[in-house]
Amino acid sequence: EVQLVQSGAEVKKPGESLKISCKVSGYSFTSYWIVWVRQMPGKGLEWMGIIYPGDSNTRYNPSFQGQVTISVDKSISTAYLQWSSLKASDTAMYYCARLGLGETFDYWGQGTLVTVSS
Amino acid sequence: DIVMTQTPLSSPVTLGQPASISCRSSQSLVHSDGNTYLSWLQQRPGQPPRVLIYKIYNRFSGVPDRISGSGAGTDFTLKISRVEAEDVGVYYCMQATQFPYTFGQGTKLEIK
Repeated sequence: EVQLVQSGAEVKKPGESLKISCKVSGYSFTSYWIVWVRQMPGKGLEWMGIIYPGDSNTRYNPSFQGQVTISVDKSISTAYLQWSSLKASDTAMYYCARLGLGETFDYWGQGTLVTVSS
Repeated sequence: DIVMTQTPLSSPVTLGQPASISCRSSQSLVHSDGNTYLSWLQQRPGQPPRVLIYKIYNRFSGVPDRISGSGAGTDFTLKISRVEAEDVGVYYCMQATQFPYTFGQGTKLEIK
């Protein structure tokens, strides 16, 4: 069974750093791209970036380039999304998903809620 | 970036009646490989999104056949032939033809 399990909710202060995770199981981690999607409170979905775990090839949405870093650890089948200096505007739910069949996001994590507040 | 525009943004529907959502892209979604990477996703309240339809009209595993997709080029439609209570949520079209991948604004389906 394909599963993407994300790390738990985080509450951080502006300026702090953060790394959230997405651990996958049930398929070959290195064979499918992983995407990160942001959903701000009460808003729609935004594609942040994508990484191929096989070779760490990464593409960012220009809107998020330089704001976040996407990475993987193949040894533990885990993808990461990290910030070096959070802002209040980073408050959102973040989802990881697999880019699979027909170039669609066929399996999703449960989401990680990040709250940034002083 | 390819802009995806959905209409309507809100759709109150009576149980058992049909529903239809349109999605228009700012440029053709036909990829150089000949495929059209247009998907439809559903997000039920409090849940992560899930895929319903990929490559315009292909139903994902477990999606009932009362849900269908159609269209070509820049104009696409999601249809639900008979709305059930479990269909309540927000529906998004999404293109994966060109980076950055983009979503429509979402259409909220609610029961009258």
